[in-house]
Amino acid sequence: GQQVQQSPASLVLQEGENAELQCNFSTSLNSMQWFYQRPEGSLVSLFYNPSGTKQSGRLTSTTVIKERRSSLHISSSQITDSGTYLCAMGNVGDNSKLIWGLGTSLVVNP
Amino acid sequence: GGIITQTPKFLIGQEGQKLTLKCQQNFNHDTMYWYRQDSGKGLRLIYYSITENDLQKGDLSEGYDASREKKSSFSLTVTSAQKNEMAVFLCASSILWHTLYFGAGTRLSVL
Repeated sequence: GQQVQQSPASLVLQEGENAELQCNFSTSLNSMQWFYQRPEGSLVSLFYNPSGTKQSGRLTSTTVIKERRSSLHISSSQITDSGTYLCAMGNVGDNSKLIWGLGTSLVVNP
Repeated sequence: GGIITQTPKFLIGQEGQKLTLKCQQNFNHDTMYWYRQDSGKGLRLIYYSITENDLQKGDLSEGYDASREKKSSFSLTVTSAQKNEMAVFLCASSILWHTLYFGAGTRLSVL
């Protein structure tokens, strides 16, 4: 079965609202990454976060490996945040074994 | 900053046809990847290459060939397109082991 599960599958926000996206994994891999997929298709790396909390602007990622979960918090959402957010688990030092979630589709309305 | 360019953006093929997708990067990255993205499935690795003329199979390599003749380019060939196949093929590159940079994708439809 799917080893990396993301929730919710989709989310609609009003501009300015906050969002919490979840990634739960059953694999024993130890390297969590978060990506943003633009509506036109390209992916942008947001965080490499094997453990703990990392912040970049309005985005915060928290990973608790022992509990096999990671979250991505978006504060004060903007219309340009719309797109799909993907998490992927792998081994430290090896991108060839990444296991990807199906993504959370986010729509931010004005 | 660098960029990854995938061509073509859209590819329509016939069943049984051999189809080639191209990827160019100007990051000067050593490692390049081809992923396939299907609706309802996570990204799956088809091939990757850690340097010029190197090829490594991913989990989904059957039915595909790849070529890395130059450091900056990585091509993928669908050896025999399957009827009604629809997918997005994403090319990526990396120099650091955890930072992947992606192109915008090639959308394949097979009639």
